[in-house]
Amino acid sequence: QVQLQESGPGLVKPSENLSLTCSVSGYSIRSGYYWGWIRQLPGKELEWLGTVYPDGTTRYNPSLKSRLSISPDTSKNQFALRLNSVTAEDTAVYFCEGSIYAPLDFWGQGILVTVSS
Amino acid sequence: AIQMTQSPSSLSASVGDRVAITCRASEGIRNYLNWYQQKPGNAPKLLIYAASTLKSGVPSRFSGSGSGTDFTLTITSLQPDDFATYYCLQDNDSSWTFGQGTRVEV
Repeated sequence: QVQLQESGPGLVKPSENLSLTCSVSGYSIRSGYYWGWIRQLPGKELEWLGTVYPDGTTRYNPSLKSRLSISPDTSKNQFALRLNSVTAEDTAVYFCEGSIYAPLDFWGQGILVTVSS
Repeated sequence: AIQMTQSPSSLSASVGDRVAITCRASEGIRNYLNWYQQKPGNAPKLLIYAASTLKSGVPSRFSGSGSGTDFTLTITSLQPDDFATYYCLQDNDSSWTFGQGTRVEV
């Protein structure tokens, strides 16, 4: 049974960097397919952030590409998100996801990140 | 980026009703269209992928159709568990995009 779990700070100050980790169990991220991050803004809109492949290849949302980095840690069966220079507009619930048999077919429970001083 | 326009943004329905939600892409996306259901406090769940393939375990009252730019999610005989928000997602482009969601309520 594939399970994903997000971890990281729930509160980040404006202009600081946000780092989140997704721990995967029940499936090796080395095995292929892709892994990524989605966020849900306060108005409930879903926004695809980006995807990482086990070899480290990435695809990012063009609107965030300059601030976003997603990287795998195959030794820990985890992958991470880093979003630089956050503002209040980055306040959202962040979900990690795995696209194993179909796009976004496995999700973490989500973690609320608030950007505030 | 490909824009996904979902309609309606919300609808009122009753148990037993047939419900249809549409998603229109700003350019052709072949059949790279997926549907998700989200209930409050939970992550979205995949219902249908590749426009019309039902994910294993999803009730057969859910179906998807369409190709190119116009897609439809249909729920025949709405059940109490189906009151939720539904989103489409295109994965044809290297940058994936969601529709804005359709809330199905009583």
